[in-house]
Amino acid sequence: KAGVTQTPRYLIKTRGQQVTLSCSPISGHRSVSWYQQTPGQGLQFLFEYFSETQRNKGNFPGRFSGRQFSNSRSEMNVSTLELGDSALYLCASSLADSSYNEQFFGPGTRLTVL
Amino acid sequence: GNSVTQMEGPVTLSEEAFLTINCTYTATGYPSLFWYVQYPGEGLQLLLKATKADDKGSNKGFEATYRKETTSFHLEKGSVQVSDSAVYFCALVSGGYNKLIFGAGTRLAVHP
Repeated sequence: KAGVTQTPRYLIKTRGQQVTLSCSPISGHRSVSWYQQTPGQGLQFLFEYFSETQRNKGNFPGRFSGRQFSNSRSEMNVSTLELGDSALYLCASSLADSSYNEQFFGPGTRLTVL
Repeated sequence: GNSVTQMEGPVTLSEEAFLTINCTYTATGYPSLFWYVQYPGEGLQLLLKATKADDKGSNKGFEATYRKETTSFHLEKGSVQVSDSAVYFCALVSGGYNKLIFGAGTRLAVHP
């Protein structure tokens, strides 16, 4: 069974640009969550989508947005990039709706903002 | 709000040494607790989990017991290997859905 895939793996952008990251969950998984990982702030929850609906959102500015498609694939978008948005963005998928199901993580997209 | 506190690293050990990484949490309700591991250049892998008080999660020689009375979930391994070198994250989920709250991570370096 294929794992969670994220594209692209690496991305370099300049301040003010926007970027779209993609995540394909494990087949059959309907929940997709996004996390930002930085050396200073650690791992922080961005948002979660389940059946194309955003169920939960972390404390990030409105420049960070996402969506989920009917096939459960998800994208996140960051507009008007800032230097501080440089991070590893991780996507995780899970099967069920309960609070204690396992989340499977992708390898991440490394975003560098210059 | 919910939070996780881990011992700061890095932790440096010799091969076959005993490992403990402390983790305590603050949460409303009854959280589920997890340990994730991140190897260099990779995403996170679930190492073990516990969903209720006194549960013991175990995997690959690692163990952690959900202690509600001390709000702790310490990670232990009796004999570490060089291949265990990685960053370890304690995390919780509380109140439904899939919002993981992570600790800051503890880097483990094991030398031969």
